[in-house]
Amino acid sequence: SQTIHQWPATLVQPVGSPLSLECTVEGTSNPNLYWYRQAAGRGLQLLFYSVGIGQISSEVPQNLSASRPQDRQFILSSKKLLLSDSGFYLCAWTTANTGELFFGEGSRLTVL
Amino acid sequence: GENVEQHPSTLSVQEGDSAVIKCTYSDSASNYFPWYKQELGKGPQLIIDIRSNVGEKKDQRIAVTLNKTAKHFSLHITETQPEDSAVYFCAASKGAQKLVFGQGTRLTINP
Repeated sequence: SQTIHQWPATLVQPVGSPLSLECTVEGTSNPNLYWYRQAAGRGLQLLFYSVGIGQISSEVPQNLSASRPQDRQFILSSKKLLLSDSGFYLCAWTTANTGELFFGEGSRLTVL
Repeated sequence: GENVEQHPSTLSVQEGDSAVIKCTYSDSASNYFPWYKQELGKGPQLIIDIRSNVGEKKDQRIAVTLNKTAKHFSLHITETQPEDSAVYFCAASKGAQKLVFGQGTRLTINP
């Protein structure tokens, strides 16, 4: 069966520090991968999605970036965090043909 | 592009009663409509979905209905239990394209 792993689960970082959140999917090949952000009490905002290695589409311009160095690995990064980057970050995957989206457990980022 | 509106934003019902959450979508070409449940501090979990070739789908106490003409779909939870308390999200997409989510409904079941 397919599983998705996301880490770290929680992170407290100072303003201006770098960020790296990692996500891996097991049990499937060539998934579509997504990064979402959820601000406190808010809906799900799509940040990035990828249909293959090295292919990244950005939905919202900001100081975050994403990379897909391997088929089942998706990384969310920032060189310098802002206070507004605080939130709950969710990685997700789908197969190309069904559209069913499966989420990881999330990473809670607090920028101080 | 697709736009999904979800109502109500909060819903409180007595244990054992039914809960209904409604969503509307704008793109008539959308054909996939999932519902997600998010418990506190966790990622959303798919609980039920419906495709545009059917009007209703049931899974135990949960059902989803779809009205393509009116472009709205609803989640129905019967005989609610305390563990149904969570945030629920609807979404819509065309085939395997990106899902567009509603803003979520915080459901509280009162004992």
